[in-house]
Amino acid sequence: DTEVTQTPKHLVMGMTNKKSLKCEQHMGHRAMYWYKQKAKKPPELMFVYSYEKLSINESVPSRFSPECPNSSLLNLHLHALQPEDSALYLCASSPTGTAVNYGYTFGSGTRLTVV
Amino acid sequence: AQKVTQAQTEISVVEKEDVTLDCVYETRDTTYYLFWYKQPPSGELVFLIRRNSFDEQNEISGRYSWNFQKSTSSFNFTITASQVVDSAVYFCALSEESGNTPLVFGKGTRLSVIA
Repeated sequence: DTEVTQTPKHLVMGMTNKKSLKCEQHMGHRAMYWYKQKAKKPPELMFVYSYEKLSINESVPSRFSPECPNSSLLNLHLHALQPEDSALYLCASSPTGTAVNYGYTFGSGTRLTVV
Repeated sequence: AQKVTQAQTEISVVEKEDVTLDCVYETRDTTYYLFWYKQPPSGELVFLIRRNSFDEQNEISGRYSWNFQKSTSSFNFTITASQVVDSAVYFCALSEESGNTPLVFGKGTRLSVIA
């Protein structure tokens, strides 16, 4: 299995809603990432988990809360989002250490719209 | 800090024309990795190639070829005999050897191939 699976593919939520994005991989990768991509922009790193521990938080607002319950699963919990948070959210996984450069695999993303 | 520049924002070509997408990078590391990704309208990031800083051989894969020149810090991508299915946004990305810094993307080049 060489895929990263993201669910849901599309999500519309109100500013008072709580929702979660899910990402799953079964490649044995121990690093997982959340990227945010606005329209016509490159992906921007949000969070990195390494061995299920948060290693990088790129100063992301607390209304985004990541969680890595096990080595295969990565969640992004959303609460009290703003319309400007509407974007494509991409999950990726990779090996760790220097081997990371041998494979970043991206999911197909969740297209989030905040109304 | 690492940086990737893709100066061409949008390119439009007629089918069967050759097209070159430019990528210029900056890094202080002597060991680093360069990537190209394709992002079709569906949103997923499709891995095309990875090249490490010690391997300056050009690479050809079907209609795709890559020209890596350390002397000019460039990693250009050429599509020969372009097809409509090549229409997408193409991202060049850089990762440094330590693996501690995840992928940094250029701003992307939107390629439109017209039939």
